[in-house]
Amino acid sequence: DAMVIQNPRYQVTQFGKPVTLSCSQTLNHNVMYWYQQKSSQAPKLLFHYYDKDFNNEADTPDNFQSRRPNTSFCFLDIRSPGLGDAAMYLCATSSRDRDDEQYFGPGTRLTVT
Amino acid sequence: LAKTTQPISMDSYEGQEVNITCSHNNIATNDYITWYQQFPSQGPRFIIQGYKTKVTNEVASLFIPADRKSSTLSLPRVSLSDTAVYYCLVGRLTGGGNKLTFGTGTQLKVEL
Repeated sequence: DAMVIQNPRYQVTQFGKPVTLSCSQTLNHNVMYWYQQKSSQAPKLLFHYYDKDFNNEADTPDNFQSRRPNTSFCFLDIRSPGLGDAAMYLCATSSRDRDDEQYFGPGTRLTVT
Repeated sequence: LAKTTQPISMDSYEGQEVNITCSHNNIATNDYITWYQQFPSQGPRFIIQGYKTKVTNEVASLFIPADRKSSTLSLPRVSLSDTAVYYCLVGRLTGGGNKLTFGTGTQLKVEL
């Protein structure tokens, strides 16, 4: 089945230690998204790629970076995680003309110690 | 930025029909209305989308009045497994109109 895969499902990192979360998709969608979701809150868009075009949300901290080496893969890099970055990180994909119908992965829950 | 307003929570019993209403007074002409469902520790899942009148699929129905300033997600005969957060969104990420953004959502709890 076509899907969005996120690895790992759970990640523990230390305060200030860089961490990378990965996402892959078999849907062949042009658009990939990264969301942050804190406990009992709605998902918050961090950035997205239209193909290789990177689109950063205005309020996304510089601490968060992303890479998309090819259509199938996208990475979220947190350069210096703080305690406030502990959250669920969700990857999603969509076709270019239907960015309101997004397919989400299961998420990676990040713990910062 | 489209502002949507939904009830924070709703309770229901198995077998009942549940209707969750969302208001979106500043919906733009080009905006579609989209609903997502999210279970704990999972990513949201697209449920249904509509522009006007009524849309029905195997999971739910979506009712949209003529002025499009609100919409109602209808879940027929809910079961325990329908316990989840339901998000109403309007707009698209790009292309004019409102920007697609997740609001606070409605926590639906279904009991026996």
